[in-house]
Amino acid sequence: DAMVIQNPRYQVTQFGKPVTLSCSQTLNHNVMYWYQQKSSQAPKLLFHYYDKDFNNEADTPDNFQSRRPNTSFCFLDIRSPGLGDAAMYLCATSEESLAGGNDEQFFGPGTRLTVL
Amino acid sequence: RKEVEQDPGPFNVPEGATVAFNCTYSNSASQSFFWYRQDCRKEPKLLMSVYSSGNEDGRFTAQLNRASQYISLLIRDSKLSDSATYLCVVNKPSGNTPLVFGKGTRLSVIA
Repeated sequence: DAMVIQNPRYQVTQFGKPVTLSCSQTLNHNVMYWYQQKSSQAPKLLFHYYDKDFNNEADTPDNFQSRRPNTSFCFLDIRSPGLGDAAMYLCATSEESLAGGNDEQFFGPGTRLTVL
Repeated sequence: RKEVEQDPGPFNVPEGATVAFNCTYSNSASQSFFWYRQDCRKEPKLLMSVYSSGNEDGRFTAQLNRASQYISLLIRDSKLSDSATYLCVVNKPSGNTPLVFGKGTRLSVIA
């Protein structure tokens, strides 16, 4: 089945130790997103790629970086995780056209990050 | 006014009840509207898109009211398995953020 895959599902890191979360998709969608979701809060968009074009949200900390080496893969790098970065990180994909409007986003199962 | 606003609940309803959620949005130019369902510690999954004419899928009915800038979700004959958080999602025509998520409304269906 076509899907969005995230690895690992659970990640534990130490305060300040860089960590990379990965996302892959078999849907061949042109847009990939990274969201941060904390308990009882809405998913918060960190950034997204429209094809190779990177779009950063204005309030995304510099501590968060992303790479999309090809259509299928996208990575979230947290350079120096703080305690406040503990959250669920969700990857999503969609197929968007320049004509406008927005189509459904398909989410991966998420990576739950713990910072010790 | 928040971009997307929902009553967080929780809504505690007995099995078989009918329950309705509303969600208001601030950008009158928004064109795409969705309801997502999120189970505890799981990813959001699309429940239904919301069309201008309203749409129904089994026990679920979604409506859009552009004049008052809100969308609604009606669940009839609630099942225990309907217990989840329901996220209202609206597109943002300007700026970088493609979709804006509400904080969600939590529903608990009780036997």
